[in-house]
Amino acid sequence: QVQLQESGPGLVKPSETLSLTCSVSGASVIGYYWNWIRLPPGKGLEWIGYAYSRGGAKYSPSLESRVTTSLDTSNNQVSLKLTSVTAADTAVYYCARAGKGQLSAFDIWGQGTTVIVSS
Amino acid sequence: DIVMTQSPDSLAVSLGERATINCKSSQSVLFTPNNKNYLAWYQQKPGQPPKLVIYWASTRESGVPDRFSGSGSGTDFSLTISSLQAEDVAVYYCQQYYSTPFTFGPGTKVDFK
Repeated sequence: QVQLQESGPGLVKPSETLSLTCSVSGASVIGYYWNWIRLPPGKGLEWIGYAYSRGGAKYSPSLESRVTTSLDTSNNQVSLKLTSVTAADTAVYYCARAGKGQLSAFDIWGQGTTVIVSS
Repeated sequence: DIVMTQSPDSLAVSLGERATINCKSSQSVLFTPNNKNYLAWYQQKPGQPPKLVIYWASTRESGVPDRFSGSGSGTDFSLTISSLQAEDVAVYYCQQYYSTPFTFGPGTKVDFK
C-alpha cells in the first residue's frame, strides 16, 4: 500500500524559504511523477508543480520563479522549496502521485501539512 | 492555462436523491489520437486530502461505489451521484491533466437538504 507523508515547519517568516518533504512508502519514487498541490484557506486547489526522476520538473508559471522540486532516491522522498514567501503562500500543502505517467490523474495523496506564513 | 469552472457552487440534496455537478473547461481536454478526455474528479471531506473518484472523465477509481459516475467529452463534463449517501457529503473538484499547468475547478460543496 503506497503512502505519502508530508513534513516541514508549520510556520515560516515572510521573505524566507519554505521547505517541505514528502516521504513515500510502499513504492519507489523512481518512475513516477510526484506533484505538489496546495489549498489556501477559503480557496480552491492550486497545482504547484511536479518532480520526476532524472531531474525532470515542471512548475506552474505563476510560481515558477520561486519554486524548486526534486527527488531524493536514496531516502525515497520528494522535496519542495518555495522562496520569498508571503502571507499568500499560507496553505495546506499536499504531495500526490500521478499514477499512470506525466499526464494522469493523482491517485495517491498525502494527508497534507499546514504552512502559515507570519512574522 | 486551461480554466476550469464548475456549477453549481453548492447544492443540497435529500438522502437517496440524485446529485449532479457540472464542469466546463476553457478548451477541449480530449486527445483525439487516443480518444481520452484528460479530466478527473476528486472528493474532499473536511480535514482530509482529496480522493480520486473518476479519471479519464468516466472511469471509476478502484473502490469507488458505482453510484458515482462521470460523463462528458471535450469541454463539458458531469459527475453524478445517483443516490446520495451520508458519506458523500464533501467538496468535489474537477481537474484537467491535459496540459500543464494542471488546473482545478473551484469546487462544488454537496450537502444534505
